[in-house]
Amino acid sequence: GDSVTQMEGPVTLSEEAFLTINCTYTATGYPSLFWYVQYPGEGLQLLLKATKADDKGSNKGFEATYRKETTSFHLEKGSVQVSDSAVYFCALKKGGGNKLTFGTGTQLKVEL
Amino acid sequence: GAVVSQHPSRVICKSGTSVKIECRSLDFQATTMFWYRQFPKQSLMLMATSNEGSKATYEQGVEKDKFLINHASLTLSTLTVTSAHPEDSSFYICSASDGGEQYFGPGTRLTVT
Repeated sequence: GDSVTQMEGPVTLSEEAFLTINCTYTATGYPSLFWYVQYPGEGLQLLLKATKADDKGSNKGFEATYRKETTSFHLEKGSVQVSDSAVYFCALKKGGGNKLTFGTGTQLKVEL
Repeated sequence: GAVVSQHPSRVICKSGTSVKIECRSLDFQATTMFWYRQFPKQSLMLMATSNEGSKATYEQGVEKDKFLINHASLTLSTLTVTSAHPEDSSFYICSASDGGEQYFGPGTRLTVT
């Protein structure tokens, strides 16, 4: 079946450091890919998405590129802030459906 | 953006009792609502999908008689955990969709003693 694999956390970075959170997927066909963020005490929020190969999703300084050849959708940000501390979930959705398949989530801690 | 609320945010109940969790879309009409379960350090697991006015569709391995889902209106869905046991202790998250993106609630922490 479909699955999403994320790097284990927690990831601890200093403010202004470069961030990469790895995400790879297994799925048949051409899924859409998503990154969600969950701040403490809040629900998941859509951060960015990409619907086809080579698409780049971007939002709030974060970006991720849909790489079909490596089945990856790694999340990157050039300079993290303390306010980026949260749990990040990678997810996929098959075309035409509404079911999301999530990775395990990666906790990011950004320190001053 | 669209807001989804859940109530209660945390609940403790005794083994054998039932507990109801509410999920509301506050500023949009949700034609579809989803219920997820999350174990520590594990991914969100979809339990069921419900469309307003019809029976929920449960994922394989989810007991529909234990996890009762009602989606009686376009803004409210409820999940009732019947005859709860300690193994049902978990974090339950709902999401709501108006046909496009899913909007997630903040989750409900259930502890069964």
